[in-house]
Amino acid sequence: EVQLVQSGAEVKKPGESLKISCKGSGYSFTSYWIGWVRQMPGKGLEWMGIIYPGDSDTRYSPSFQGQVTISADKSISTAYLQWSSLKASDTAMYYCVRHDGVAGPIDYWGQGTLVTVSS
Amino acid sequence: EIVMTQSPATLSVSPGERATLSCRASQSVSSNLAWYQQKPGQAPRLLIYGASTRATGIPARFSGSGSGTEFTLTISSLQSEDFAVYYCQQYNNWPLTFGQGTRLEIK
Repeated sequence: EVQLVQSGAEVKKPGESLKISCKGSGYSFTSYWIGWVRQMPGKGLEWMGIIYPGDSDTRYSPSFQGQVTISADKSISTAYLQWSSLKASDTAMYYCVRHDGVAGPIDYWGQGTLVTVSS
Repeated sequence: EIVMTQSPATLSVSPGERATLSCRASQSVSSNLAWYQQKPGQAPRLLIYGASTRATGIPARFSGSGSGTEFTLTISSLQSEDFAVYYCQQYNNWPLTFGQGTRLEIK
């Protein structure tokens, strides 16, 4: 069974750094692209970027380029999303997702990680 | 960036009736269009990909159609569990983009 299990909810202050994780199992982690999707409170879905764990090829939506960093450690089948300096506007649910192909539909979703940034 | 526009924003339909949701792309995305369903407090799930192919385990009452810039998701006979928010997404061009969603509510 394919699973994407994300790290738990986080509460941070503005300016702090953060790295959340997504562990894949039940499939060949290095053979599928992993992406991240943001959902701000009460809002829709925003695609942030994608990484191919096999060679760490990474691509970002222009809206998120320079704002976050996507990485992966294929030795432990885990992808990451990180911020160097959080803002209140980063408060959102973040989903890791598996893409069926380099620019394919999302066939599996993680359970989501809620990030709250508040002073 | 391709802009995806969904209509209507909210659709009120009675159980057992048909629901038709629309999605328009600002430029052609061929058939590289997916539909997702999201229920409150849950992650979205894939319903349709390739504009018209149902994902594994999706009931036959869900169907997708269209190509190019105009797409439709039809739910033939609404069940109580179908009331949710639906999103379309194009995966023809980077960056991948979602529509803003259609909330399907009980009339």
